[in-house]
Amino acid sequence: QSALTQPASVSGSPGQSITISCTGTSSDIGGYNFVSWYQQHPDKAPKLMIYEVTRRPPGVPDRFSGSKSGNTASLTISGLQAEDEADYYCSSFTSRVTGVFGTGTKVTVL
Amino acid sequence: EVQLVESGGGLVQPGGSLRLSCAASGFTLSRHWMIWVRQAPGKGLDWVASIKQDGSEKNYVDSVKGRFSISRDNAKNSVYLQMTTLRAEDTAVYFCGRGFCSGPSCYSETSDCWGQGTLVTVAS
Repeated sequence: QSALTQPASVSGSPGQSITISCTGTSSDIGGYNFVSWYQQHPDKAPKLMIYEVTRRPPGVPDRFSGSKSGNTASLTISGLQAEDEADYYCSSFTSRVTGVFGTGTKVTVL
Repeated sequence: EVQLVESGGGLVQPGGSLRLSCAASGFTLSRHWMIWVRQAPGKGLDWVASIKQDGSEKNYVDSVKGRFSISRDNAKNSVYLQMTTLRAEDTAVYFCGRGFCSGPSCYSETSDCWGQGTLVTVAS
């Protein structure tokens, strides 16, 4: 149950698009369409941004989108805004009937 | 308003035990899987355990199997995490999360609502 692999940091200017990758294995990301993405601001609880690879919960802006190819999932933030600066974590259902998180990515808005 | 409030954290010596509680309000607890995750200081999120709506299924990450036990009391709107044989590496903020439901589908590994967390420190 190793953590999914994410880049440590990604940055972009306001209005730009950025993409965060999340790499797992066939026992998690590659085997199921149960990939989620969370946003976490400092000292706050995580916020669900994407579930089932591509779906957005109510209230999440459509600037946030998800995708998956093989064992790698991705989160794209379009039209980057200052309030998007936060840590982002992917997660996936696993063959052990548990969840597993990614290592986390710090998004910086330049 | 949907709310989750964790309690029971604190300082405990290695090998000791703690019981965390999560009080739920503003929604029907019995409809949702419930999840515990943790976050060590300055580190990433770590999935710990989940429990099915009626308590009939419980799942644990390998690192806590045999030491931690998740339970729930829907009548009391509460979820619990009994932690035994605690180690220094269990030091973290523990968050209780509501399993996400979309229409008739409810998820065991995705959460749309979290508490503020309770800090567990394992040290001598």
